This record gives sequence, C-alpha cells and structure tokens, in this order.
Amino acid sequence: KAGVTQTPRYLIKTRGQQVTLSCSPISGHRSVSWYQQTPGQGLQFLFEYFSETQRNKGNFPGRFSGRQFSNSRSEMNVSTLELGDSALYLCASSLGPSSGQETQYFGPGTRLLVL
Amino acid sequence: AQKVTQAQTEISVVEKEDVTLDCVYETRDTTYYLFWYKQPPSGELVFLIRRNSFDEQNEISGRYSWNFQKSTSSFNFTITASQVVDSAVYFCALSEAGRDDKIIFGKGTRLHILP
Repeated sequence: KAGVTQTPRYLIKTRGQQVTLSCSPISGHRSVSWYQQTPGQGLQFLFEYFSETQRNKGNFPGRFSGRQFSNSRSEMNVSTLELGDSALYLCASSLGPSSGQETQYFGPGTRLLVL
Repeated sequence: AQKVTQAQTEISVVEKEDVTLDCVYETRDTTYYLFWYKQPPSGELVFLIRRNSFDEQNEISGRYSWNFQKSTSSFNFTITASQVVDSAVYFCALSEAGRDDKIIFGKGTRLHILP
C-alpha cells in the first residue's frame, strides 16, 4: 500500500506570492492533517480535514487555508507569503478523524523556502 | 491545556549503548493518547507507538521499549543496544480525547549514535 505522498517536495517562492501544496493520503484514509515544522516553533498543527470538511484548526492566520476533495486528497494554500513561512510542511493521514484513537501516518513533507 | 516537554534537546551516545529519551506531559483530561514518532534526516515522521491513558503496561518492541507512568506524567522511550540507524529526531506527542483533540508535539530530541 502506498504511503502518504506530498507534492512538490521542494519549493522556492518570494515574499508576497502564494503557494499551493498537495497531499494524497493512504488509500482508504479519509482524514488529512497539515503541520508546519520550523526550527524555532517545532511541529505546529495547521488544520485537519475529514470528509471534505475542516474539522479542526490551529492558531495560524487566515493566509493559511486548505481544502479536501471527494477522493480525500487535500491541498493547502498560503497567500501573501512571508519570510517566516519558510518551513517543512507535513501532511498526515488517518482512517478516521484525527483524535488519539487514530494513528496518523506522515508524508515526506514539502520544504518551502520564501526569499 | 495540554503540553509535552522533551527536556533533552540533543543526546549523543556511542553505538551499542542504551539511551533513554524523556517525555513529560500535561493534560486535564482523564482520557488521552501518547505517541512517539521518529524523524530521520529524510524528514518523514515515522510512527513508533501509541498508548492510551488507561493502559500503563510497558511495551517492548525489539530494541525499543516504552515506560508509561501516570504518577509522574511521563512516557519515556528507551533504545537498547543503539545503532547508527537510530540517529534521528524523536518526538513525543499527546492527544486529548475530548472536544479539542488536536495532537500536540514536544520539541523533539535529536539523537546522535556515534560509530
């Protein structure tokens, strides 16, 4: 069974631009969560989608948004990029809603560099 | 509020030594879940273990073992006879099984296994 895939793996953007990252969950998984990882803040939860609905959201500004499609694939979008958005963005999938009852499986991440 | 503390930022041991990674958590819930993940240099988080708050039994999986003690709010991870391939960043995480069931990660412990 294929794991979680994320595209692109690496991305370089400039301030003010927007970016869209994609995540394909493990087949059969309906929940997708997104995390931002930086050296200073560590791993921070962005949001979770389950059955095309945003189920949970972390403390990030409205520039960060996401969506989930009927095939459970998810995209996250960051508008008006800032230097501080440079990070590794990780996607995780689970069978059901991402409570502790479900184990999350992570993708390899998208490394975003904002210049 | 939930919180996970991994006091050891970085640890170096010589191959074949045993090493314990500490994790202390805070939660107000009686039902919660604890996790350990491994992040090798490739960036992808690898799931190692999930433990619910009602199961204090220690677990052993090969060279890995986990010690869960509710009395001290700790969920420590021991690698026996460490190997160079164990070099990675290890994250402890907590999820409360309530309304706000986001997973919170500790800052991680970077483990160097020296040959």
